[in-house]
Amino acid sequence: KNEVEQSPQNLTAQEGEFITINCSYSVGISALHWLQQHPGGGIVSLFMLSSGKKKHGRLIATINIQEKHSSLHITASHPRDSAVYICAVRGKGQFYFGTGTSLTVIP
Amino acid sequence: KAGVTQTPRYLIKTRGQQVTLSCSPISGHRSVSWYQQTPGQGLQFLFEYFSETQRNKGNFPGRFSGRQFSNSRSEMNVSTLELGDSALYLCASSLTQVGVAYTEAFFGQGTRLTVV
Repeated sequence: KNEVEQSPQNLTAQEGEFITINCSYSVGISALHWLQQHPGGGIVSLFMLSSGKKKHGRLIATINIQEKHSSLHITASHPRDSAVYICAVRGKGQFYFGTGTSLTVIP
Repeated sequence: KAGVTQTPRYLIKTRGQQVTLSCSPISGHRSVSWYQQTPGQGLQFLFEYFSETQRNKGNFPGRFSGRQFSNSRSEMNVSTLELGDSALYLCASSLTQVGVAYTEAFFGQGTRLTVV
């Protein structure tokens, strides 16, 4: 059983659509990260959350500690948002990763 | 300030050889953790070093080892390479240990290792 489950695995959206990616986890955590990985490999940390909600530009991340669930929202999606989005939770001294959501935004 | 630097970016090795990868953390960061990313398994935690000591280890064979120097730079070594070791190896740096405190982690661009 994976400690971190992400959905959906793949997502195709039209430019301008509102996008939601979900993450559920089973371990006790000190923080949850949303990561973005473009083709070529480099990973960028978009958000780090331990409670509540954070917003950065068109990106919004929320976390519900009681339900062990987090969501990443992208408003007014754009083709440059096309990437793999990975949920990572930090607990028991290491990161646990979701399998990633591959997002393609079509112009 | 400079980000996390991993060298080399690309590497091709022959089965049975050994390889050493390097990670230079952000200045002032004392924790370096290493991850393997493969298409089949996704991202998996290898180990974490903090203040020159291995603090946590993932579920990988002993062929995977690492160390951290007094300047916090870290190296990862894989001996007796197997075809299945072909992967993107990422490191991340943070001020404190992963899981100990609420602190940001910054990832490098990774080293893509191909074993032939």
